[in-house]
Amino acid sequence: EDQVTQSPEALRLQEGESSSLNCSYTVSGLRGLFWYRQDPGKGPEFLFTLYSAGEEKEKERLKATLTKKESFLHITAPKPEDSATYLCAVTSGSRLTFGEGTQLTVNP
Amino acid sequence: ETGVTQSPTHLIKTRGQQVTLRCSSQSGHNTVSWYQQALGQGPQFIFQYYREEENGRGNFPPRFSGLQFPNYSSELNVNALELDDSALYLCASSPGRLGETQYFGPGTRLLVL
Repeated sequence: EDQVTQSPEALRLQEGESSSLNCSYTVSGLRGLFWYRQDPGKGPEFLFTLYSAGEEKEKERLKATLTKKESFLHITAPKPEDSATYLCAVTSGSRLTFGEGTQLTVNP
Repeated sequence: ETGVTQSPTHLIKTRGQQVTLRCSSQSGHNTVSWYQQALGQGPQFIFQYYREEENGRGNFPPRFSGLQFPNYSSELNVNALELDDSALYLCASSPGRLGETQYFGPGTRLLVL
């Protein structure tokens, strides 16, 4: 059974203070690892898909990396509008298995 | 290209009632998946449909059922509602079945009293 653990549960940063979110996973045959951003009461918004260890993807202030056991979402010089819950999910077939998310708050 | 849409946005039902939630997938996406998200938790997989046939089911009882139609629309039906069914229900669409990115709709917030 696929499993995903995200840490920390919550993270509070000052504007401009860079940090990383962690996603540890166990899966029998990784077909994809996904990062989503979710604002309160809304559906998850797609950020990145990673398929193999060593892969990296960037979008604005966000960079996602992947190893055989975990993924990191690096946030460089965050702004208050980056405040949201960040969800990590994996799939070994068709369904997504999600972690509980990291709630990020960026203070001005 | 239009995104994934869901209706209604909010719904209040009483215990024992039945509810139907609707989703319209992105054009060209043959796969639709439904998820339940309780407050403060990650989404939980309910089931998936590929070209109108069920393609996998999570750990949900049979009173959760679904349909997918040829026009990229789909339904989630829940019978005999229980208080614990209160949650945000999300649908997601993707072009194929395996390992492809799933794009989510805004969700339907269901409250069971």
